Amino acid sequence: ELKVEQNPLFLSMQEGKNYTIYCNYSTTSDRLYWYRQDPGKSLESLFVLLSNGAVKQEGRLMASLDTKARLSTLHITAAVHDLSATYFCAVDNRGAQKLVFGQGTRLTINP
Amino acid sequence: GAGVSQSPSNKVTEKGKDVELRCDPISGHTALYWYRQSLGQGLEFLIYFQGNSAPDKSGLPSDRFSAERTGGSVSTLTIQRTQQEDSAVYLCASSPVRGGLYEQFFGPGTRLTVL
Repeated sequence: ELKVEQNPLFLSMQEGKNYTIYCNYSTTSDRLYWYRQDPGKSLESLFVLLSNGAVKQEGRLMASLDTKARLSTLHITAAVHDLSATYFCAVDNRGAQKLVFGQGTRLTINP
Repeated sequence: GAGVSQSPSNKVTEKGKDVELRCDPISGHTALYWYRQSLGQGLEFLIYFQGNSAPDKSGLPSDRFSAERTGGSVSTLTIQRTQQEDSAVYLCASSPVRGGLYEQFFGPGTRLTVL
């Protein structure tokens, strides 16, 4: 059974700092997704990572995928308050189409 | 263009009543998914449609839950004899299934409260 684990689950940080959210998964997959969720809102797609070594960047967020380690990271550079949200990683259970989600990381960025 | 839409946005019902939740996917998206998000369980897969057929119903928690999709478009999720543990946000997503990539686009969700 595919399991996806994120850490940390809660992260409070100051504006201007850097930090990384980690996403580990238990079985082979080469498709990993990062989503953002604001309170009371739905999920917004951030990144789709399709192959080993994939790296994608958008603004202050950068995501990477290491399929051999079964690990993805979401790196936040020089955090700003607007990035406060819950971030989910999800893995495409190969052949099954459904996404298996991590628990989510609630990120709070303090001015 | 229009995204995934869901209705109602909020539904409050009494225990034992039936409810229907509706999802309108993005036009042209052949795959449609239902998920449930609750505090205790996180985000859970319920059912997946490809066209009008449902190859994977493995996440439906009990036989009180059913779903259908018609015309390769609109889907309804029906919960019969609702229980308090059914309270959650029900999210629908659709995917164009391009080249084997199943990037999913989510709707705003229906918040179900069972009293």
